[in-house]
Amino acid sequence: AQSVTQLDSQVPVFEEAPVELRCNYSSSVSVYLFWYVQYPNQGLQLLLKYLSGSTLVKGINGFEAEFNKSQTSFHLRKPSVHISDTAEYFCAGFSGTYKYIFGTGTRLKVLA
Amino acid sequence: NAGVTQTPKFQVLKTGQSMTLQCAQDMNHEYMSWYRQDPGMGLRLIHYSVGAGITDQGEVPNGYNVSRSTTEDFPLRLLSAAPSQTSVYFCASSTAGASNTGELFFGEGSRLTVL
Repeated sequence: AQSVTQLDSQVPVFEEAPVELRCNYSSSVSVYLFWYVQYPNQGLQLLLKYLSGSTLVKGINGFEAEFNKSQTSFHLRKPSVHISDTAEYFCAGFSGTYKYIFGTGTRLKVLA
Repeated sequence: NAGVTQTPKFQVLKTGQSMTLQCAQDMNHEYMSWYRQDPGMGLRLIHYSVGAGITDQGEVPNGYNVSRSTTEDFPLRLLSAAPSQTSVYFCASSTAGASNTGELFFGEGSRLTVL
């Protein structure tokens, strides 16, 4: 079955600490992969995307993600988080035929 | 830049009532879709469209109707609201065809409560 799995529902981290949000995808999901961020009471906006080429993808606000085909993972990282990074983050795959598959989300809470 | 506009932002219905959530985009996107977001379940696709006159079902289509008479608009109709349809609804659009890289553009959401 096609799936995108986010392994952590909540991640608390102190300000200026590094963070990794984990995402695994099933091999049947297309290798178009995305991370979206949702700030409170807002819609989702694109953080970064992997379509092809370099496996390390850089996005907005200092985030980056690494596509790992052998481990079917697409983890999101930031070396130093800020209070303003507090949000919910969604990993998603494009499975073709216009059906996007979303993970269940990870709530990142940055603590002062 | 308006992008994707959803109305209303909030709505309270009684069980059995019907209503329409409106979605409009000004980016000339062929693909439009509706998702519902529920705690712990992420986003689930309700219906989608790849162009005017073309719609298809997603993962959770029961109780919802859509139509696509123009490129810009993609309304979602709740035929007879049930408490299980209490959720936050998002409309999203994208390019289609060979230029489609999969990036979705989302509206700000419509929060629906069914009593």
